[in-house]
Amino acid sequence: AQSVSQHNHHVILSEAASLELGCNYSYGGTVNLFWYVQYPGQHLQLLLKYFSGDPLVKGIKGFEAEFIKSKFSFNLRKPSVQWSDTAEYFCAVNARGSARQLTFGSGTQLTVLP
Amino acid sequence: GAGVSQSPSNKVTEKGKDVELRCDPISGHTALYWYRQSLGQGLEFLIYFQGNSAPDKSGLPSDRFSAERTGGSVSTLTIQRTQQEDSAVYLCASTPTGGPVNEQFFGPGTRLTVL
Repeated sequence: AQSVSQHNHHVILSEAASLELGCNYSYGGTVNLFWYVQYPGQHLQLLLKYFSGDPLVKGIKGFEAEFIKSKFSFNLRKPSVQWSDTAEYFCAVNARGSARQLTFGSGTQLTVLP
Repeated sequence: GAGVSQSPSNKVTEKGKDVELRCDPISGHTALYWYRQSLGQGLEFLIYFQGNSAPDKSGLPSDRFSAERTGGSVSTLTIQRTQQEDSAVYLCASTPTGGPVNEQFFGPGTRLTVL
């Protein structure tokens, strides 16, 4: 069975700081990778996804993530955060060819100070 | 168009009571998932419906949990004889079919509190 680890439970940054949230997964086969975001009071929504091709994927609102297969990692980055990026971020994986349910990490709460 | 909706948004119940949680997926989406999110935890998969196929129940934590999906649309998650450890946010998601990777569209969740 696959598992997902998010190393940081709570990250606090000032506006304009750079962001990197770690995500490592455990699964021996081919995977699809996702980052979801939950803004305060809102639904979970997809930030970006990777399933094949260029390992550097770009998502909404200036976020990007890089899939490094050798490290089983899919870290989320943003060069300059804004106060509006304050949210909880979840990394998720599903095994290619599986029933497609997602395995989620425990989430990282990002607080951006104005 | 309308997104995934869930009801009720909040449910407080007493230990030992049964509860029913409802999910209305996006129209035309054939796949439906239930997850739960306990405090400080990630989302835990519960059950998956795909069209008319038998559901994947591999994530249900005990036989007190069951779910059905009527007419390939609305789904109801039932928890019998609720326990305090059942307190969590229960999330429903739906996806269309086709393609190697389908985005899951999540509802707002039902916050269940078992006293």
